[in-house]
Amino acid sequence: GQQLNQSPQSMFIQEGEDVSMNCTSSSIFNTWLWYKQDPGEGPVLLIALYKAGELTSNGRLTAQFGITRKDSFLNISASIPSDVGIYFCAGRREGSNYQLIWGAGTKLIIKP
Amino acid sequence: EPEVTQTPSHQVTQMGQEVILRCVPISNHLYFYWYRQILGQKVEFLVSFYNNEISEKSEIFDDQFSVERPDGSNFTLKIRSTKLEDSAMYFCASRTGLLRETQYFGPGTRLLVL
Repeated sequence: GQQLNQSPQSMFIQEGEDVSMNCTSSSIFNTWLWYKQDPGEGPVLLIALYKAGELTSNGRLTAQFGITRKDSFLNISASIPSDVGIYFCAGRREGSNYQLIWGAGTKLIIKP
Repeated sequence: EPEVTQTPSHQVTQMGQEVILRCVPISNHLYFYWYRQILGQKVEFLVSFYNNEISEKSEIFDDQFSVERPDGSNFTLKIRSTKLEDSAMYFCASRTGLLRETQYFGPGTRLLVL
């Protein structure tokens, strides 16, 4: 099936550091979404991107839709303890109206 | 703020039993989805549903699975004869269908098949 490659798989960082993660695909996507999932809960949407080159911020989070339409990144600036969790990218392929394809997730751990 | 709700939050069942997972999507939404997430793994698409029919389904969604919108509010996922490997978190999602509208997820049902 269609794959999204998300990296890194996990990150150990100090509070206050900036974080960067990305997703790539071999196919063209028309939508990129970034979700955060806390343990035992459903994914919560952080940022949605709909246009190549689009750069969108949500507080300390910034995400970009790659120009090639095959990648996206998420940056978190000045991380705080509540940023801990698993971040997923998800995308909708060109020509598909329905299903989201998901990355494997990036687990963010903040060292005290 | 409106939200997607799911019941039960946890279900334990014996292998071979039927289970029905229930979802109440956000009221003005038109597109409905089921996803599953095996513990520690990524979210996987199962099926999408629009206008009272399945619009897209994955290879995971075989003949053991079915979906139904029995009334104006509930959206259900039935697994006819559960297998051990069906143990997972099952998420329902919905969206309005407007251009650029994205999917809102419920809190999930954790299914454990023994």
